Amino acid sequence: EAGVVQSPRYKIIEKKQPVAFWCNPISGHNTLYWYLQNLGQGPELLIRYENEEAVDDSQLPKDRFSAERLKGVDSTLKIQPAELGDSAVYLCASSLSHNEQFFGPGTRLTVL
Amino acid sequence: GESVGLHLPTLSVQEGDNSIINCAYSNSASDYFIWYKQESGKGPQFIIDIRSNMDKRQGQRVTVLLNKTVKHLSLQIAATQPGDSAVYFCAEMTGAQKLVFGQGTRLTINP
Repeated sequence: EAGVVQSPRYKIIEKKQPVAFWCNPISGHNTLYWYLQNLGQGPELLIRYENEEAVDDSQLPKDRFSAERLKGVDSTLKIQPAELGDSAVYLCASSLSHNEQFFGPGTRLTVL
Repeated sequence: GESVGLHLPTLSVQEGDNSIINCAYSNSASDYFIWYKQESGKGPQFIIDIRSNMDKRQGQRVTVLLNKTVKHLSLQIAATQPGDSAVYFCAEMTGAQKLVFGQGTRLTINP
């Protein structure tokens, strides 16, 4: 069974540019999460979806970050415009309701 | 085996020794705890979990201990192998069904 798929794996952009990350969860998993992981730190939740509904986006910086999961399957996370401090790994995870979360490999973003 | 204090960013052990990684959690209302292993370039991988109605749970070569009185969690790895080298995170599930991760401990295995 395929795990959580994320693309791209690496992205380098200049500050003020837009960037988008894509996540395809494990088939059948209705809950999808986006996390931010800074170097040496644990992941921090940005947003959680139950099917297509964002049920917890309290930690998402809404001035520049947006996310969507239109059909309740795959999801995109966008940053516009990116800032230097956005350099981090962006992790996607999925689960069946509130059970064990399975993480993807992440997208490493470098903002120059 | 070796153990760390309440939290250290790194732990180095000899291959074959036992490892103990400690974690302090913050929310006394948390009722579910998980240990994750994260290898370089990969996402966190579930190792073992424990609910607050238990104080010990064993898996294959791993044991998690929970002390709710002092809000302390530990992960014991028996007979540490080179493949155990990774960063280990504890995480607590809050009442809002949010997973909150600790800062992590990097485990290095010496041959």
